[in-house]
Amino acid sequence: AQKITQTQPGMFVQEKEAVTLDCTYDTSDQSYGLFWYKQPSSGEMIFLIYQGSYDEQNATEGRYSLNFQKARKSANLVISASQLGDSAMYFCAMRETQGAQKLVFGQGTRLTINP
Amino acid sequence: NAGVTQTPKFRILKIGQSMTLQCTQDMNHNYMYWYRQDPGMGLKLIYYSVGAGITDKGEVPNGYNVSRSTTEDFPLRLELAAPSQTSVYFCASGVGVMNTEAFFGQGTRLTVV
Repeated sequence: AQKITQTQPGMFVQEKEAVTLDCTYDTSDQSYGLFWYKQPSSGEMIFLIYQGSYDEQNATEGRYSLNFQKARKSANLVISASQLGDSAMYFCAMRETQGAQKLVFGQGTRLTINP
Repeated sequence: NAGVTQTPKFRILKIGQSMTLQCTQDMNHNYMYWYRQDPGMGLKLIYYSVGAGITDKGEVPNGYNVSRSTTEDFPLRLELAAPSQTSVYFCASGVGVMNTEAFFGQGTRLTVV
């Protein structure tokens, strides 16, 4: 069964520093997709970035990049030049391409950016 | 384009009452999901659907039921509400193509007292 693990309940970072949020996953499938979502205090879920299991390049979207290490089954989110508005909960998620394609989430990491 | 619409936004239920959380999407997505999020926690999958007429259980289905009679609608039914069902409920939809994200509704905050 697919499983996502985020081992950092909370992270505190100074503004303008880079931050890495950890995500490891477990799956028996060879084909799957990995997602990161941001949830600000207002509660909505905001999609940030996607990485496919067969993608050879690490995904990037503006200040967000995904450090994908397939052999280690990790998909860490890197935020460069952090801003106060980055303070939020961050969730890693995975969807397998086989079967019913359930979208499963990790426990989340609360990121706080200090001025 | 409304996206994914959930109603109501807030609700207080008494123990033993029943209710239906509504979810509608106007993007013609075949995949739809229901999640619950307890305070400070991640999203747990309750039920999902891969198309009209097809539903399946997720990680925490007990105490809930769903139906999918149309592509647009995916209501979640709570029977005999319990305090343990106090949570924020999110509905999401997606195309089902691997490299596309799921779109989320704004959530329903449910309190059972």
